[in-house]
Amino acid sequence: DAKTTQPPSMDCAEGRAANLPCNHSTISGNEYVYWYRQIHSQGPQYIIHGLKNNETNEMASLIITEDRKSSTLILPHATLRDTAVYYCIVRVEETSGSRLTFGEGTQLTVNP
Amino acid sequence: DGGITQSPKYLFRKEGQNVTLSCEQNLNHDAMYWYRQDPGQGLRLIYYSQIVNDFQKGDIAEGYSVSREKKESFPLTVTSAQKNPTAFYLCASRLARGSYEQYFGPGTRLTVT
Repeated sequence: DAKTTQPPSMDCAEGRAANLPCNHSTISGNEYVYWYRQIHSQGPQYIIHGLKNNETNEMASLIITEDRKSSTLILPHATLRDTAVYYCIVRVEETSGSRLTFGEGTQLTVNP
Repeated sequence: DGGITQSPKYLFRKEGQNVTLSCEQNLNHDAMYWYRQDPGQGLRLIYYSQIVNDFQKGDIAEGYSVSREKKESFPLTVTSAQKNPTAFYLCASRLARGSYEQYFGPGTRLTVT
């Protein structure tokens, strides 16, 4: 499994961009990078995923470095409701299917 | 509304009793998953199932059992053999092909005393 490393916590001012880094230096060529977030005491929510190219959707942007050893999730205009734990995950593929392995994530706190 | 339901949200049991946590989905998803989360930690995979009548152990399957008799349902039994059963339990599902986005239920917080 490709292991991911994230800072345990980050702060961001409301309305500013939140940039959450993730290192995955042992990622394999066919492994995707996924981002999920978990608001306190709720189930995680999918945000975005990518393989090589940068990706953008209505929630966030994902920037993956050319060597794929790290990535950054960008929330362009953070709101108080974006306060959550953000998980960077590299997909593990088993012979019988695919599964996600969650680390401890980054606690993002958006301040007013 | 389509989604994943888990019930109940809070569950209390005495030590030594088995307890079954419910997970139902009406998303027509093939795969279903059970995770455990302890305070301040990430999710750990207990069991998962890719199709009906088939399931595989995850990273921490000891003391747990599951069944997958119907596509919509994936109940988890926490047995008395599980040494530290108090935790937040999350169920998830996804389409088996073409998507790796997992949809999560609201979770069940189990307290065993």
